[in-house]
Amino acid sequence: QQQVKQSPQSLIVQKGGISIINCAYENTAFDYFPWYQQFPGKGPALLIAIRPDVSEKKEGRFTISFNKSAKQFSLHIMDSQPGDSATYFCAASKQAGGGNKLTFGTGTQLKVEL
Amino acid sequence: GAGVSQSPSNKVTEKGKDVELRCDPISGHTALYWYRQRLGQGLEFLIYFQGNSAPDKSGLPSDRFSAERTGESVSTLTIQRTQQEDSAVYLCASSLSAGAYEQYFGPGTRLTVT
Repeated sequence: QQQVKQSPQSLIVQKGGISIINCAYENTAFDYFPWYQQFPGKGPALLIAIRPDVSEKKEGRFTISFNKSAKQFSLHIMDSQPGDSATYFCAASKQAGGGNKLTFGTGTQLKVEL
Repeated sequence: GAGVSQSPSNKVTEKGKDVELRCDPISGHTALYWYRQRLGQGLEFLIYFQGNSAPDKSGLPSDRFSAERTGESVSTLTIQRTQQEDSAVYLCASSLSAGAYEQYFGPGTRLTVT
């Protein structure tokens, strides 16, 4: 059972454009929603995260939009740059008995073209 | 300020052999997680350690998988009698404490079972 569904699988955006990646979750107990960026041969790096008590969080060119009633959240990358080309993963977790096990989406390969 | 380190970076083994993967968390981080990333897929949680508490093994796929951690330091993930379906990147992450949401990932160990 896939608890976090991510789309699209791949995305091509022109330099300067907006990249949008969407995720939907099923478990209403989730209380933390991070996005990770992964370059080939590297481990995932935390990009930005949001808690369900806010609808939007912005850090530089990266924005998370969160819709609790729809159980959806999305990553927007403004003014996309070739250096943003990477795989992006959404994830979700809930604190339960200690620990913070992340449930990941299947990833989106983003390519930003000149 | 070293990050999470893992060794080896690559491991090729024959089916049926045992392998041991190592993770050095960020100094001072008490929580440690292991995840598995199959080709083209998201990360799957395997096991979680917090200090000297009993580990959360709920994500281990079979009894061929085991892991140890001594106190708040190094962890080893052992896979016995490896199978081809064990081929994946094994990622380790550490977190400041059980209550901390942010997880910091190592570069992973790419395991290939031939």
